[in-house]
Amino acid sequence: ILNVEQSPQSLHVQEGDSTNFTCSFPSSNFYALHWYRWETAKSPEALFVMTLNGDEKKKGRISATLNTKEGYSYLYIKGSQPEDSATYLCAFIGGSGNTGKLIFGQGTTLQVKP
Amino acid sequence: EPEVTQTPSHQVTQMGQEVILRCVPISNHLYFYWYRQILGQKVEFLVSFYNNEISEKSEIFDDQFSVERPDGSNFTLKIRSTKLEDSAMYFCASSVQGAGNQPQHFGDGTRLSIL
Repeated sequence: ILNVEQSPQSLHVQEGDSTNFTCSFPSSNFYALHWYRWETAKSPEALFVMTLNGDEKKKGRISATLNTKEGYSYLYIKGSQPEDSATYLCAFIGGSGNTGKLIFGQGTTLQVKP
Repeated sequence: EPEVTQTPSHQVTQMGQEVILRCVPISNHLYFYWYRQILGQKVEFLVSFYNNEISEKSEIFDDQFSVERPDGSNFTLKIRSTKLEDSAMYFCASSVQGAGNQPQHFGDGTRLSIL
């Protein structure tokens, strides 16, 4: 059974703090790693799709790194803002990746206090 | 910006009844998915669909589940005889291609409550 784990489960930070969280996934049979941002009462929104070991992606104040050999990805938020409050989901795709089956972690819920 | 739409937003059904959850994927997308999240658990994959065929299904997706693309725009999930444990938030998603290197676009979900 493929398992994807995220830590911490939840995080409370002050506005302006930088923060990071971890996604662990199987290091074998890797195809891609997705990150999604999920605000309450909305739909999950794609942040990054990462495929190559050593990949680094950036979108504004949010960035992510990927280590496929050891099976982890980090998501960083620089200078957190209250609007960054959301649940951040990572999802693993293995094998040939041609069916798009995402295996999700349990998410990290971030609360940014003004 | 185009989005995936799901209806209804909340469905309450008696155990044993059939339910159909509806989704309108983004118009130029070719790959469609259903996921669900039981309260307090991870989001879990149910099925992926391409070219009018199931391309992969999970072990959850047993004979009581079916999917259909009845016309050029809708994508439906049918649960034939609902059980209490089917209560969950059901998400539809679509992508331009099925390759895992493409982001999936999700709808807002249908909350299914089985009584």
